[in-house]
Formats: sequence, C-alpha cells, structure tokens
Amino acid sequence: DAKTTQPPSMDCAEGRAANLPCNHSTISGNEYVYWYRQIHSQGPQYIIHGLKNNETNEMASLIITEDRKSSTLILPHATLRDTAVYYCIVYNQGGKLIFGQGTELSVKP
Amino acid sequence: GAVVSQHPSRVICKSGTSVKIECRSLDFQATTMFWYRQFPKQSLMLMATSNEGSKATYEQGVEKDKFLINHASLTLSTLTVTSAHPEDSSFYICSAKTAGLAVLAKNIQYFGAGTRLSVL
Repeated sequence: DAKTTQPPSMDCAEGRAANLPCNHSTISGNEYVYWYRQIHSQGPQYIIHGLKNNETNEMASLIITEDRKSSTLILPHATLRDTAVYYCIVYNQGGKLIFGQGTELSVKP
Repeated sequence: GAVVSQHPSRVICKSGTSVKIECRSLDFQATTMFWYRQFPKQSLMLMATSNEGSKATYEQGVEKDKFLINHASLTLSTLTVTSAHPEDSSFYICSAKTAGLAVLAKNIQYFGAGTRLSVL
C-alpha cells in the first residue's frame, strides 16, 4: 500500500474552508484514497474516499489531482467541532487500513 | 453510516488479571473486524485482523497468546487481554467492515468509540 505524507498540523479560522493536503506519489492504479478523522479520545470516523474523480458528500469534498499523486480534503465551513486529527490513507480494497501520523487540525474562533 | 458498538468504554484492572473487550456491529454483518491499539500522542497501530469463523491474523510483534481474539459471529468480536500488565495500558479500538453489496460496502471501515484500559 502506498505511503502518504501530510503536514503534522494546521490551523483554520472558524467558518472558513479547511484545505488539508496529502501526498501519495507512489499510489498505484487500484488504490483508493480514504480520509478518516479522530476527535480526541474517540474512535476514528470515516469521512470520504475516492479513486480518481473528485468526490463530495455531506461532510467534505475530496479533490484528487489528475496524476493521482496528491489529494486535498476540503471542509467547506470549518467549525470548532471539526478540530481533530485527519488521516489520509491509501490502500487497495483487499488491504488493511494503516494509519500514519495525520494532520492535527485546530479550528480557532 | 454503520454503527459499531464497543464495550466497556473504560476499564481499570489489577496487574495479572484478564480483561475482555467486546465489539459489535449493530446494523450490518461484519465479515472482517480489526483491533487497533493507540498510545498517548501516537497514531493507531493495527494489532490483528479477524474474519468470522476463522483464526485472527496478528501483526508482527503482537503476541497472539496475550491478546486473544474471537470472532464467533458476524456481529461480534472480542479481544481478551490476558494477564494484563501496566505496559498494556492503552486505548483499544475495534473496527468492522462488510463485504456486502449495499451502500455499506466499498471497504469502508467503521470504528467503535474505543476502550481505555488502565492496568494498576
């Protein structure tokens, strides 16, 4: 499964869009990009995933570059409750979900 | 989304005792369940993968005789920490996924809320 690289931390003002980048330059053709988040002392929560097309759901949007080597998770209007560690994970559908260090997002009033 | 229930949420035990943690998928059949461990300020570490009705597959460095995993039904998996010691104190999290064809498919893993184990 491909390795991902994320910034260790980011700040975002409440009400603004939070754009969380992820590099996955070694991704292969059958590997999906998944995003999860973990609010302090809770279990991780699934956010969104994609293969090559951009995706949107009620929580977020996922923008994947054409070469699939990087992606961006967008929280359109961040709230204080979006403060969490966000994990970008690449794996194929037969593989295991292996967590890296993620990005610690702090949404500030 | 699918609901995974984990119980208990917190447990304190004496050194040398065994502790059982339950993980249930409430509204779907979990063909595969996973157990993770998380130490403070660290990421989740996969301990083992279990498929219903078969023996669990443990990650390298995880003692299978210490962390007993049972996945006897499609909705229940248990993790038993045997002869617990203070170094086993950690946050244990289970997750489940289904191979079904409904919206819950696509290999999304759903996580429980975690169990904080403190061994005195």
